[in-house]
Amino acid sequence: GAVVSQHPSWVICKSGTSVKIECRSLDFQATTMFWYRQFPKQSLMLMATSNEGSKATYEQGVEKDKFLINHASLTLSTLTVTSAHPEDSSFYICSARDGRPGSYNEQFFGPGTRLTVL
Amino acid sequence: AQSVTQLDSQVPVFEEAPVELRCNYSSSVSVYLFWYVQYPNQGLQLLLKYLSGSTLVKGINGFEAEFNKSQTSFHLRKPSVHISDTAEYFCAVSVADDKIIFGKGTRLHILP
Repeated sequence: GAVVSQHPSWVICKSGTSVKIECRSLDFQATTMFWYRQFPKQSLMLMATSNEGSKATYEQGVEKDKFLINHASLTLSTLTVTSAHPEDSSFYICSARDGRPGSYNEQFFGPGTRLTVL
Repeated sequence: AQSVTQLDSQVPVFEEAPVELRCNYSSSVSVYLFWYVQYPNQGLQLLLKYLSGSTLVKGINGFEAEFNKSQTSFHLRKPSVHISDTAEYFCAVSVADDKIIFGKGTRLHILP
C-alpha cells in the first residue's frame, strides 16, 4: 500500500505556456501533500505544502502566482507552472502524508515529473 | 529549525566492500530521521527510518543506520555493496507533523 503517482512523468512545453502536474495518493487519503523541486545533481527543495480544502503554504522565495497548487480532494493535488520559462525546467516531485493511525505521518513520494521548457 | 548535513558529496567504494554514508543533524527537539535512495530519473524510495526505540535501524536492501543522539548522527551502513547500489542517497529529518528537510545527498559510486 501507500502508493503515490504523478502524471505526466515527463513533459516538454514551449516558453510562455502553462503546465499542470498531478499527484495522486492511490490507496490512502492524504490531507497533506508536498511539492518539491530538484535541479540536476542537487537535493530536493520544498516548494509548498498543500492541505486539502485550504490554500497552500509556500516556502520563502517560491512565487505562489507562478506555481499554482490546488488540493481539491483527499487523493489529488495539482501543481500548475504558469507561463513557464526555461529556468523552470526541473524535476518536480510530490509526496503525500499518510495520516492514518500508526503511520507516524510518514510521507510517500511520487516518481517525479521532468519538465523541460524550450 | 532543523537541518541536515551530509559531509560527503560522493563516495566511491569497491563492489563487495563495506560502506558508510555520514549524516549529522541539528535540532532543538526530538526528530524523526530518514534515509532515502534515488535512482537516476526516479523518485525517492525510503530505505529506513528512525522514529523512536532501538537506535539501530534495519532497512531494505541490507542497509542499516544507527541513531546517535549525543553525536547527533544517523550514519548509513552496508557491510557489502553491490553494483545495483549505485544511486544518490539522501538523509532527512522531520519533526512530528512538520515538513521533511533533506540533506544535499551523497552519490554512491560502486567500483568493479
